[in-house]
Amino acid sequence: AQKVTQAQTEISVVEKEDVTLDCVYETRDTTYYLFWYKQPPSGELVFLIRRNSFDEQNEISGRYSWNFQKSTSSFNFTITASQVVDSAVYFCALSEGGGTSYGKLTFGQGTILTVHP
Amino acid sequence: NAGVTQTPKFRILKIGQSMTLQCTQDMNHNYMYWYRQDPGMGLKLIYYSVGAGITDKGEVPNGYNVSRSTTEDFPLRLELAAPSQTSVYFCASSWQGSYNEQFFGPGTRLTVL
Repeated sequence: AQKVTQAQTEISVVEKEDVTLDCVYETRDTTYYLFWYKQPPSGELVFLIRRNSFDEQNEISGRYSWNFQKSTSSFNFTITASQVVDSAVYFCALSEGGGTSYGKLTFGQGTILTVHP
Repeated sequence: NAGVTQTPKFRILKIGQSMTLQCTQDMNHNYMYWYRQDPGMGLKLIYYSVGAGITDKGEVPNGYNVSRSTTEDFPLRLELAAPSQTSVYFCASSWQGSYNEQFFGPGTRLTVL
């Protein structure tokens, strides 16, 4: 069975600091998909990024970047020059790619990020 | 498009009562999901559906039931509510499955006393 671990329960930084959120996953499938979602204080879940298991290219989107390393089963998320609006709970999630997976997501426990002004 | 909508936003139930959480999506997605989020925890899958008339259990289905008579609607039924069902419930939908991101509703905060 698949598993996602976000070992950092809470992180607190001061604005403009860089911060990295760790995500380690376990799966037996060779095809799988990894996701990051953001849950701001308002409570909704916002999709940030998807990465498939065959694409280890790192991704950068503005102040956000993601580092996918199959060798260590990690999919880490870095926010550069953090801002107060980045304060949220961040979830890493995994979906196996097999025919009976049907997109079911396994979530990590989440990391609470607080950015202080 | 409204996306995924859920009603009610909040609800307090007494032990043993029943209720239905409503979920509707207007994106013509085939796949729909119900998750629960307990305090300080990630989301856990309760039930999912890959199309009208097709549903299946997720990781934590006990105490819940679902139906999917239309593409748009995926209600979650709680029978005989228990304090352990106090949680935030999220409905989600996606176009196809594993590859596609899921779009989430705003959630229903349920308290069972």
